Amino acid sequence: ETGVTQSPTHLIKTRGQQVTLRCSSQSGHNTVSWYQQALGQGPQFIFQYYREEENGRGNFPPRFSGLQFPNYSSELNVNALELDDSALYLCASSLSPFEPSSYEQYFGPGTRLTVT
Amino acid sequence: GQSLEQPSEVTAVEGAIVQINCTYQTSGFYGLSWYQQHDGGAPTFLSYNALDGLEETGRFSSFLSRSDSYGYLLLQELQMKDSASYFCAVRDLGTGANNLFFGTGTRLTVIP
Repeated sequence: ETGVTQSPTHLIKTRGQQVTLRCSSQSGHNTVSWYQQALGQGPQFIFQYYREEENGRGNFPPRFSGLQFPNYSSELNVNALELDDSALYLCASSLSPFEPSSYEQYFGPGTRLTVT
Repeated sequence: GQSLEQPSEVTAVEGAIVQINCTYQTSGFYGLSWYQQHDGGAPTFLSYNALDGLEETGRFSSFLSRSDSYGYLLLQELQMKDSASYFCAVRDLGTGANNLFFGTGTRLTVIP
């Protein structure tokens, strides 16, 4: 069973630039959620993708967007980067949102984004 | 809206027992989960309670009281490797997704 992987592990960008982060879900999982974790805080939900469609969104502006591909891997895109976007970005895969055991989410190691 | 409260830091001795509390306020309750995160690592799932009572998984147990909007994680026979941050989280169906809403975490330090 392959776990959740993310790339890159670290990234440094300049304010105003755009960034794309990637995530491969665990085999057998068709749902991917993205979270932002600031230092010393809990992860905050950005959005979720299920079967290539956005399936819910947290309180993040539209410059945070995403995609899910037919193999259930996913991308997170952030445009017009701001200093406050510096954080650990985590993706988590799970079973379908309609499965009883979908409460268990499997997290990747994250991408540490620094905006200067 | 949702809110979760848990202590920010706890210190305990190796071999001892520690309890990490979590109180929640949610518009709808669909279960309480616990995750462990080592520094620089990914959150990993520990336990889930949807109904009142105690769930035991090895050295870790989790308890839920829905009437008190309260739960706790109990770690027994503490080991140095248990030093990590522990997050309680509730399922949040209000966003349209089946996502998790996390507390701010409790940093557990195990000392010899």
